[in-house]
Amino acid sequence: SQQGEEDPQALSIQEGENATMNCSYKTSINNLQWYRQNSGRGLVHLILIRSNEREKHSGRLRVTLDTSKKSSSLLITASRAADTASYFCATNSGGYQKVTFGTGTKLQVIP
Amino acid sequence: KAGVTQTPRYLIKTRGQQVTLSCSPISGHRSVSWYQQTPGQGLQFLFEYFSETQRNKGNFPGRFSGRQFSNSRSEMNVSTLELGDSALYLCASSPGLAGGTYEQYFGPGTRLTVT
Repeated sequence: SQQGEEDPQALSIQEGENATMNCSYKTSINNLQWYRQNSGRGLVHLILIRSNEREKHSGRLRVTLDTSKKSSSLLITASRAADTASYFCATNSGGYQKVTFGTGTKLQVIP
Repeated sequence: KAGVTQTPRYLIKTRGQQVTLSCSPISGHRSVSWYQQTPGQGLQFLFEYFSETQRNKGNFPGRFSGRQFSNSRSEMNVSTLELGDSALYLCASSPGLAGGTYEQYFGPGTRLTVT
């Protein structure tokens, strides 16, 4: 079963615009991660935010976490065509590496 | 460092057959996790191995099994294949040390088609 539900399911924007995608989850978590997947290939880790953190930045990425609302958002600023991919949130609620992925947001950046 | 490798990349099998997929983690990583990805169910956790022991398990039937060798390489096996087992099988490695969750490094996946 999916822990995270992502919104929107698909997003199409022009190059240079910002892209925001949201993730909601059901149970308390230790941390939340965001991954990117290019067209049926392996996933690439983008950023990890721990449950006691509220915001984290990495280059053009900004992640927020609101544990009271059980939600997180990923903002990609100044998007590029190369950002076209599916983005997944992943939560860890227990020990070790048992990670549950969300349903994903398919982002298309039009040049 | 070399990345995570998975073999084979593509596989076509017939219903009822069994299949073995292989994953070589990044050197020094002791944790290997397996995931199944399908359009309908998304990414689902199968199991995780650490130091040759299954440490976590998802909600899959017993037809899905795995193992890890002393060099951390891992295999997963699916017996009595069903059409619904057609999927992209992803392997991920991480240091896996106790005390926390680490980012996972994914392989390119094995695309299994069951006919």
